[in-house]
Amino acid sequence: ETGVTQSPTHLIKTRGQQVTLRCSSQSGHNTVSWYQQALGQGPQFIFQYYREEENGRGNFPPRFSGLQFPNYSSELNVNALELDDSALYLCASRNPQQETQYFGPGTRLLVL
Amino acid sequence: AQTVTQSQPEMSVQEAETVTLSCTYDTSESNYYLFWYKQPPSRQMILVIRQEAYKQQNATENRFSVNFQKAAKSFSLKISDSQLGDTAMYFCAFMISNFGNEKLTFGTGTRLTIIP
Repeated sequence: ETGVTQSPTHLIKTRGQQVTLRCSSQSGHNTVSWYQQALGQGPQFIFQYYREEENGRGNFPPRFSGLQFPNYSSELNVNALELDDSALYLCASRNPQQETQYFGPGTRLLVL
Repeated sequence: AQTVTQSQPEMSVQEAETVTLSCTYDTSESNYYLFWYKQPPSRQMILVIRQEAYKQQNATENRFSVNFQKAAKSFSLKISDSQLGDTAMYFCAFMISNFGNEKLTFGTGTRLTIIP
């Protein structure tokens, strides 16, 4: 157990819809990152939040956005869903004084 | 940009044998970290072992050890006395030690199967 939880476990949406995925980090971990893992691929970095502000972003369009809250929870929002957004979405938290990121179990999103 | 390459898409080994997974990376940075993560069918990404680039000594965690060759930009994982529970996808990952840019860059993974 990493102490990082995610909800929901699975989700089915249709193209054009919007989705919100949630993550609860370990206590004291005020840095959270989100990754997208397509089938058969390694995870790709979406963005990172530190103290409720985005402080790093990968090659993802603005329709991918996030929020981080003071209680160590965070959200990933995706607008105007596309078929290629179907993937496993992972969040990872860490203590900024340490380098190791601890992952949640992921949310499997299917866009039809 | 950093890249991580895992050249072995799949490997299999008999239980109790030793197996080595390969990973190479490319970076111009001098301060960074390297990781091996394990992802079983349950999907949870679990840290196996990590290595700080400034440390010459290879990291070891029980049956897991690495061979870190900084000049060659190579970071292989050795699993000794393999067990059925080691069956999983293994990802090599790289992270720069730079505030605001601490993303993990992953390889494409190696699917390891331990045969009873």
